[in-house]
Amino acid sequence: GQNIDQPTEMTATEGAIVQINCTYQTSGFNGLFWYQQHAGEAPTFLSYNVLDGLEEKGRFSSFLSRSKGYSYLLLKELQMKDSASYLCAVVDSNYQLIWGAGTKLIIKP
Amino acid sequence: GAVVSQHPSWVICKSGTSVKIECRSLDFQATTMFWYRQFPKQSLMLMATSNEGSKATYEQGVEKDKFLINHASLTLSTLTVTSAHPEDSSFYICSARGGAEFYEQYFGPGTRLTVT
Repeated sequence: GQNIDQPTEMTATEGAIVQINCTYQTSGFNGLFWYQQHAGEAPTFLSYNVLDGLEEKGRFSSFLSRSKGYSYLLLKELQMKDSASYLCAVVDSNYQLIWGAGTKLIIKP
Repeated sequence: GAVVSQHPSWVICKSGTSVKIECRSLDFQATTMFWYRQFPKQSLMLMATSNEGSKATYEQGVEKDKFLINHASLTLSTLTVTSAHPEDSSFYICSARGGAEFYEQYFGPGTRLTVT
C-alpha cells in the first residue's frame, strides 16, 4: 500500500525554527509537494522537490532524500501567521497525488 | 496565472435537496480536475478524478450516484451532491491540473456545505 507519515501536531515559538518531517512509501515517485493550509481555507502551494537536496525559498526550505523516502519542511523566523496545517503529498507513478494527514503547527508567542 | 475558482463559497441546504458546486480554471485549460472532501481537523480525501469529456473515476467508498461529477469542458467541472444529508456537511475542494507545470494541482478556494 501507499503510505505517507507526518507528525500530527507540533508546537514552536515565534522567531524560532521548526522542521516538519515526512516519510513516504509509494508506488513510484514523481515528486513531493508541501502545501500550507489555514483552517477553513484550501491548501496553498509551498514547494515541489523531485531531485535530492535542499530547495530554499525565503523563510521556507524543503529537503528531499529519495533513497530514504524522506522529506522535511524547514520554517525559519517563525511568525504567528505560520500557524497552519502543513501537508506533504507525493506524486506516484500514475501522477496522482498521495496525501499525508498533515501536521498542525502551533506557534506560541 | 493558474487560478481556480469555486462557486458557491458556502451553501446551506435542507436535507433531501441537491446542491451543485462549480469549479472553474480561469486562465488555463484543465485536462484533469479533482474533487476532495475535508472534514474538520482531517486531511484531504480524494473523492474522484475527472478528465474532460469522460466519466469520472471515483475513489473506493464514494457513491457515484450520490456525488455526480460532470467535466463538460476544459475549464469547468461540477459536483452535484444529490439528496444531501447532514453527514454530507463538509468542506469540498476542487483542484485542476493542466497548467504550465503539468504535475502540479491548483486548488480552488473550497465550498463549505452545511446540510440542515
